[in-house]
Amino acid sequence: DAGITQSPRHKVTETGTPVTLRCHQTENHRYMYWYRQDPGHGLRLIHYSYGVKDTDKGEVSDGYSVSRSKTEDFLLTLESATSSQTSVYFCAISDFSTGGSYNEQFFGPGTRLTVL
Amino acid sequence: KNQVEQSPQSLIILEGKNCTLQCNYTVSPFSNLRWYKQDTGRGPVSLTIMTFSENTKSNGRYTATLDADTKQSSLHITASQLSDSASYICVVILGEGGSYIPTFGRGTSLIVHP
Repeated sequence: DAGITQSPRHKVTETGTPVTLRCHQTENHRYMYWYRQDPGHGLRLIHYSYGVKDTDKGEVSDGYSVSRSKTEDFLLTLESATSSQTSVYFCAISDFSTGGSYNEQFFGPGTRLTVL
Repeated sequence: KNQVEQSPQSLIILEGKNCTLQCNYTVSPFSNLRWYKQDTGRGPVSLTIMTFSENTKSNGRYTATLDADTKQSSLHITASQLSDSASYICVVILGEGGSYIPTFGRGTSLIVHP
């Protein structure tokens, strides 16, 4: 999985509790992303980062916040988890390809989150 | 709204047969188009990446085509194997000001039977 780890891999929590998911990379890639994947939907971008302390919102950012204090770590926080946030969360990384203007994107193994 | 539509939603074929998956998109301006394979319980893995100037790209038994005029792409799998059973996702990248904004299709679920 291209030097990307996600933790935890599985989590069950209760509505209203805060949850933090961690993505760690060893590739020194500039860009990092958080997606969620739900049945009947394509992967949807939650937030992304284009450098340390530089982040931006994606398509489904409500209820989520992120932080990136180091190149290798990108944290996703659910401030007060709701049942609608039950999903599989994927982290991804990318960087400019050599000689090109587009970015190969590599995905982590995913975190399955269940909010009861 | 930028969209990526894939068809069929699911497909069952016999081992050794060929198949073609379709992707239609409305994303504009267009930067590049990717096909990913996602095995159950795993993250997606890139199969091909094509810019708007490319009309075909191969990766082993996988061949992707792109018609930027009609905004259509296809992924052809030759001589299918049991390990090809997976979800295949088409992703179109919006090309605007150097930003990277992906739009994902919902995927085609392929099952290869022996």
